[in-house]
Amino acid sequence: QSALTQPASVSGSPGQSITISCTGTSSDVGGYNYVSWYQQHPGKAPKLMIYDVSNRPSGVSNRFSGSKSGNTASLTISGLQAEDEADYYCNSYTGTSTLVVFGGGTKLTVL
Amino acid sequence: EVQLVESGGGLVQPGGSLRLSCAASGFTFSSYEMNWVRQAPGKGLEWVSYITSGSSKYYADSVKGRFTISRDNAKNSLYLQMNSLRGEDTAMYYCARVFQGGTVTTSDYWGQGTLVTVSS
Repeated sequence: QSALTQPASVSGSPGQSITISCTGTSSDVGGYNYVSWYQQHPGKAPKLMIYDVSNRPSGVSNRFSGSKSGNTASLTISGLQAEDEADYYCNSYTGTSTLVVFGGGTKLTVL
Repeated sequence: EVQLVESGGGLVQPGGSLRLSCAASGFTFSSYEMNWVRQAPGKGLEWVSYITSGSSKYYADSVKGRFTISRDNAKNSLYLQMNSLRGEDTAMYYCARVFQGGTVTTSDYWGQGTLVTVSS
């Protein structure tokens, strides 16, 4: 099972919006509405930001939103803030023996 | 407060074994599915293993046959027995709770991790 494809890096200025893509196949992202997004600051554990494509856990800012079209899921962060600077990972259910595949991660830089 | 605390990591030679533990508190451990996820130094996240509340077990192909996940609900603890370790198993290992009602992809609480280094 290959890793999902994410851009290595994205950047934006405070107040702007950015979108991070996560591309898989019809066997993972495209086949199930089970995509999650995680935020990870350096030296810290990941934090769940979005689950089941577009749902936000309690306590996560509504500046974070998720969507999916075909085999590509997306995470959009609006009103960028300095504390959003982190690595972001998507994952998806695969329905194979390796149940979950992660993306390679995207480093978000807030300029 | 939900807490997950991993232990058991360390330096081990190729071919060796290690048992990781994850002590859970602040929630009804027996009711939750749990994941092990690892992260090699400077690399991305990789799902390793999943255990349901009923102790059904699933593994990534990369560790199948070498790693064994288990849980002891009386001790509120999750384990990962790792045998036949290889250099590519070097990583920070996180235990993570699966969101109630969610799928294996949805880990809402994570420990701080325990580092496993496989080297001679």
